[in-house]
This record gives sequence, structure tokens and C-alpha cells, in this order.
Amino acid sequence: NAGVTQTPKFRVLKTGQSMTLLCAQDMNHEYMYWYRQDPGMGLRLIHYSVGEGTTAKGEVPDGYNVSRLKKQNFLLGLESAAPSQTSVYFCASSYDRGRWYGYTFGSGTRLTVV
Amino acid sequence: AQSVTQLDSHVSVSEGTPVLLRCNYSSSYSPSLFWYVQHPNKGLQLLLKYTSAATLVKGINGFEAEFKKSETSFHLTKPSAHMSDAAEYFCVVRPNNNDMRFGAGTRLTVKP
Repeated sequence: NAGVTQTPKFRVLKTGQSMTLLCAQDMNHEYMYWYRQDPGMGLRLIHYSVGEGTTAKGEVPDGYNVSRLKKQNFLLGLESAAPSQTSVYFCASSYDRGRWYGYTFGSGTRLTVV
Repeated sequence: AQSVTQLDSHVSVSEGTPVLLRCNYSSSYSPSLFWYVQHPNKGLQLLLKYTSAATLVKGINGFEAEFKKSETSFHLTKPSAHMSDAAEYFCVVRPNNNDMRFGAGTRLTVKP
């Protein structure tokens, strides 16, 4: 009954370092999403996936890469972190692209780039 | 383009008084509409949703929202605020065959 699990929950990076955020869902959802949340801007879509092996760019994809090698996992990578990527990152998944059931969100990863 | 506007960035009410959080959307088609709540340092939780059935939608914790097509609005209400309602609320539009668009959020403060 875990839903959507994000790891890690907190991370501090130095500028130029790389890292990967992991999102795992156990609901057999086809669709998965990565958002970033910044004050006063709501949630903005970074990348999304409509099924295993697929990825697509969202509203703010620059500086990020993603992979969906397994249906249950969706990874978000930062190759060379910048202070502008300091944010709270949320992963979400959905059964029907949100049409009837909305999205299920993870609890977030708070990333600080110094 | 489809978008959603939350008209207030911050709303403050006293405990026991009504809550009104305003949301307007623009959409070329009949959209799905959602309200999510985010408590401090938590993820987003679905409060309620409109998906073209009844225009008055009831959600969890006593919240309601009414879909008004003529006004392109989907305002969130609650008759009596509780301290535990203090949180950030997001109005979300899901246009036809597209992904969700989030409003900027409304922070609700509840005073004792």
C-alpha cells in the first residue's frame, strides 16, 4: 500500500555535481511525471512518461534527463547541478493520464544546490 | 491554451468561519478539474474532482466545489474552517487529452 515512493527525501549538492532521484510506484500505472515546485509558481512539469521505455519533455526540461526502463520506476537525473535547480521535486503517477482519477503524488524530494 | 488562475495567493480566516478559495480556468474543451491540498512538508493529496458529472462536487474533510461553465470557475468552499485546514491548495485543470496544469496555489491560514 505504498503508492508513490521518492528517494531521497533531502539532498544538498554542490554546483556541478550530478545525482539521480528515484520514483517508484506499486499501482501498475502507465503514466508517470516529474514536477518541480517553486514558491508562487505551483508545480511545473519537467518530464513525463506514457509507458515503459518512453519519455517526453514537459514545460521545463532543460538541465534534466529521465529514464523509464521499468514500468514501476521513473528516474530523474541532474547531470551538472546548478543553483537554479534548488527546488522541491515531486513524482506522480496516474492510471488514465488524470482524466478520471487524477494523479497520485509522492512526498517530495527537497534539493538544495549550493 | 488551457490554464488555471487562482485568484488569491493567500487567504486568512478564523476558525469556524467559511472558507472560499477561488479558481478560474480557461479551456477550449470540457476539462476535468481538481483541487489538491498540500500540508507543510507533505505531498499533494486529492481533495475532490469534477469530471463532467454533477456540477457540485463533494470532497474529503467537508470541502465542496461547484463547476460553473458560464463563469469558467471552480471555487472551493467549506462552511466552517478548522485549524487542520491550514495548508496550500492547488486548483488543477486537465484539458481534454492533455496533462494537468496547476495553479500557483493559495495558502490558507486559519486563526484561532
